[in-house]
Amino acid sequence: QVQLVQSGAEVKKPGASVKVSCKASGYTLSRYHIHWVRQAPGQGLEWMGIINPSDGGTGYAQQFQGRVTMTRDTSASTVYLDLRSLRSGDTAVYYCARVEFQSFHLWGQGTLVTVSS
Amino acid sequence: SYEVTQAPSVSVSPGQTASITCSGEKLGGRYVSWYQQKPGQSPVVVIYQDTNRPSGIPERFSGSTSGNTATLTIRGTQAMDEADYYCQAWDSSNVVFGGGTKLTVL
Repeated sequence: QVQLVQSGAEVKKPGASVKVSCKASGYTLSRYHIHWVRQAPGQGLEWMGIINPSDGGTGYAQQFQGRVTMTRDTSASTVYLDLRSLRSGDTAVYYCARVEFQSFHLWGQGTLVTVSS
Repeated sequence: SYEVTQAPSVSVSPGQTASITCSGEKLGGRYVSWYQQKPGQSPVVVIYQDTNRPSGIPERFSGSTSGNTATLTIRGTQAMDEADYYCQAWDSSNVVFGGGTKLTVL
């Protein structure tokens, strides 16, 4: 079964970092770009950036530059999102999604990250 | 930075046609996708590359673009179509989402 399976919910304190994983199964990770999208409670979708699992190339949304890193481990068929200097506004559900035909056809189940003191 | 705009809410009676629009500069020259999201669930693509419907998406969903506007049309709207809908476009290599439209079927 083709799917993206994300790691579990996290609770972090302000200023901390979080690392969310997204494991691909049922297909070869390197064949498709993976994007990260987040959604704050009651809010819309916000694009964070892209990773090309084939070569590790990345591109980040301007508002996250300097605070986010996306990496991959092809041997584990997994991509990672690392977000640093967390603040309350980073409380959100974080999704990984696979691009095909310039559209997100496959999404992970989402990972809730809560930032609270 | 590039932006696309959606109305926050649309209401439709069961069996009628719902139209959800997305506006942005020269949007007709960019590929637009539409996503349906129900509470507590991940988004699901219902239209991609302006007009294409993925397998498994009912034929009552259709998409179109013209000028600065893309439109998602749901014909014969059913109660199960009540959800948030997001348009999405590309700005160079960046992704842009609309703010979302809550479709209420009543």
